[in-house]
Amino acid sequence: QQPVQSPQAVILREGEDAVINCSSSKALYSVHWYRQKHGEAPVFLMILLKGGEQKGHDKISASFNEKKQQSSLYLTASQLSYSGTYFCGTEINKGDYKLSFGAGTTVTVRA
Amino acid sequence: GAVVSQHPSWVICKSGTSVKIECRSLDFQATTMFWYRQFPKQSLMLMATSNEGSKATYEQGVEKDKFLINHASLTLSTLTVTSAHPEDSSFYICSAPGQLNEKLFFGSGTQLSVL
Repeated sequence: QQPVQSPQAVILREGEDAVINCSSSKALYSVHWYRQKHGEAPVFLMILLKGGEQKGHDKISASFNEKKQQSSLYLTASQLSYSGTYFCGTEINKGDYKLSFGAGTTVTVRA
Repeated sequence: GAVVSQHPSWVICKSGTSVKIECRSLDFQATTMFWYRQFPKQSLMLMATSNEGSKATYEQGVEKDKFLINHASLTLSTLTVTSAHPEDSSFYICSAPGQLNEKLFFGSGTQLSVL
C-alpha cells in the first residue's frame, strides 16, 4: 500500500522553508527520500531506519517517527536547485528493498 | 558510488511491436533489480522484482506475459514490453540495491512512446 504524502505541491521563494510529510498505515522498517527532476531518474537523498532517527544533508533533513509511521522532510533556506518532485519510499521488511512510493510533492523554488 | 545504466533512454515504436529495455549494474553485482513504471505527474509504481537465475516476481495487476523480465546475469536485467499498445506508453525505470548500504540506485529511465 502506498504511503500518503502531503502537500501535493508547494511554491517557495529562495530562502524559505518547507516541510513534506509522509505517512504509512503499516509498520515500517525504513523510509527513503528521493528527488526527481522532470524526465530524469530519482536521485537519492537519505534513508531513515527504524529507531526514530533524524538525518540531514546540507540544508535538507528528515525525521522518522516509527510509532506514528510518519516521516517528514525539511527543506531549510531553500535554493533554486531544490525544485523538483520529492518522493518518499517506504520499506516494510528489512532488506527486501521493495519500496512503495508516495504520490510525490512538487516543489517549485522561485528567485 | 554504484551506477545503474539503463538503455535506451527513449524509444518510439509502432503498436504491436516489442521493445526491450536493458538495465545494467556497472560496478557491482545485483542479484535483485526492480522495475518501476511512472505515468506523467504520477508516482513510481513497482511492476516486478527481477531475480538473477530465477523467475521474476510480479506485482498484482501486472501481466507477466506482456512484461517479460529476464535476469540472466548478476549485472543485467531486461524488460521486454511485448505487443506494445499506446496505453503502455510510460516512463520505465529500473533500480538495484547497492551492496554497501541500503539505498536503491536508479537507472536513468526509458521513455516509451507507442504510436
